[in-house]
Amino acid sequence: QLVLTQSPSASASLGASVKLTCTLTSGHSRYAVAWHQQQPEKGPRFLMKVNDDGSHNKGDGIPDRFSGSSSGAERHLTISSLQSDDEADYFCQTWDAGVWVFGGGTKVTVL
Amino acid sequence: QVQLVQSGAEVKKPGASVKVSCKASGYTFTNYGISWVRQAPGQGLEWMGWVSPYKDNTNSAQRLQGRVTVTTDTSTNTAYMELRSLRSDDTAVYYCARDGNHSVYWGQGTLVTVSS
Repeated sequence: QLVLTQSPSASASLGASVKLTCTLTSGHSRYAVAWHQQQPEKGPRFLMKVNDDGSHNKGDGIPDRFSGSSSGAERHLTISSLQSDDEADYFCQTWDAGVWVFGGGTKVTVL
Repeated sequence: QVQLVQSGAEVKKPGASVKVSCKASGYTFTNYGISWVRQAPGQGLEWMGWVSPYKDNTNSAQRLQGRVTVTTDTSTNTAYMELRSLRSDDTAVYYCARDGNHSVYWGQGTLVTVSS
């Protein structure tokens, strides 16, 4: 069964960088993953799709501070030059035979 | 630009049904499927189902099968999600979303409150 695993929380200082990880279960390491941001009291916003080779496609208007990468079964989202409104939940998501599968989300705190 | 505009908040009693709409614009409606995702208070995202406007193919989450129906109306470019036999733990924000072309577009969400 396909499962996406994320750490529940991460934090970094204003202006610093943070790297979030989404790990695919064994046997699914070639799957692409989408990253979504959810600011407090708002709906999800698509950030980017990250492929197994590390290439990524960003959503409309997503700043260059957001980037994606891959390593084996891990898909990463890196946020550089952290700003206060980057404080949000970040969900990874993939597709499996027409079913959307979500990770549990990582809450990012900007110190 | 792609836009998905959902219907307004609903309050329902346990055992009732709710039907949420999602009106699409900015693209050819029949070219992309629509998924439905919900989020209970303080919880993560849960995929509920998917519908293709082109062939009316559908798929739904196993734990909701029998209670959820997803449909489309191609004459109005609108997708619908109906959830029956509502329970208190169905209280959530319900989102429609469209993927394809390496991107995902989200509706603004519809709060459904189930309360006696």
